[in-house]
Amino acid sequence: QKEVEQNSGPLSVPEGAIASLNCTYSDRGSQSFFWYRQYSGKSPELIMSIYSNGDKEDGRFTAQLNKASQYVSLLIRDSQPSDSATYLCAVGTGNQFYFGTGTSLTVIP
Amino acid sequence: EAGVTQSPTHLIKTRGQQATLRCSPISGHTSVYWYQQALGLGLQFLLWYDEGEERNRGNFPPRFSGRQFPNYSSELNVNALELEDSALYLCASSPPGPYGYTFGSGTRLTVV
Repeated sequence: QKEVEQNSGPLSVPEGAIASLNCTYSDRGSQSFFWYRQYSGKSPELIMSIYSNGDKEDGRFTAQLNKASQYVSLLIRDSQPSDSATYLCAVGTGNQFYFGTGTSLTVIP
Repeated sequence: EAGVTQSPTHLIKTRGQQATLRCSPISGHTSVYWYQQALGLGLQFLLWYDEGEERNRGNFPPRFSGRQFPNYSSELNVNALELEDSALYLCASSPPGPYGYTFGSGTRLTVV
């Protein structure tokens, strides 16, 4: 069984702060890594993808990947109340991805 | 571009009945994935179809089955419904390659 682990939270940060979300995975052969955002009662929405070691930035979001440590993270800068959601990490190879159980983030105004 | 569409949005069934859920992928996407998300829980992988073939299935009993049609749309069938089958069922599609999934809005199945 290929495992993807996330802290369930809840993680609370004040508005304007940096939110840091972490994910570890068990399959060392994994090649593709994604972060999804899921608002309550809605379906997951892809927000970041990363395939190689290092950082990838997109607006206020930065994904970080360290394959040696089997670790991927998502940083959200200048957090806004609208960022309050559950963040899912997905890891896999080819077309098959495995999801973590998600981290609930609350941004406090 | 139309996204992944699922129907129906909501479905209420009685225990023991059968449910059929439908999914149309994004044009050009050949893979369709089905996930179950029970209230407050994570995404549980059900089935993966690609080019009309079942490529993988999750740890679910055989009463969960499905198929993919030549136009790449898919249906999920759940037989002999149990109360614990009540969940949000999500369909996702992806193009060939490691490009991540696009999810539909889901079907909320309630078994009473």
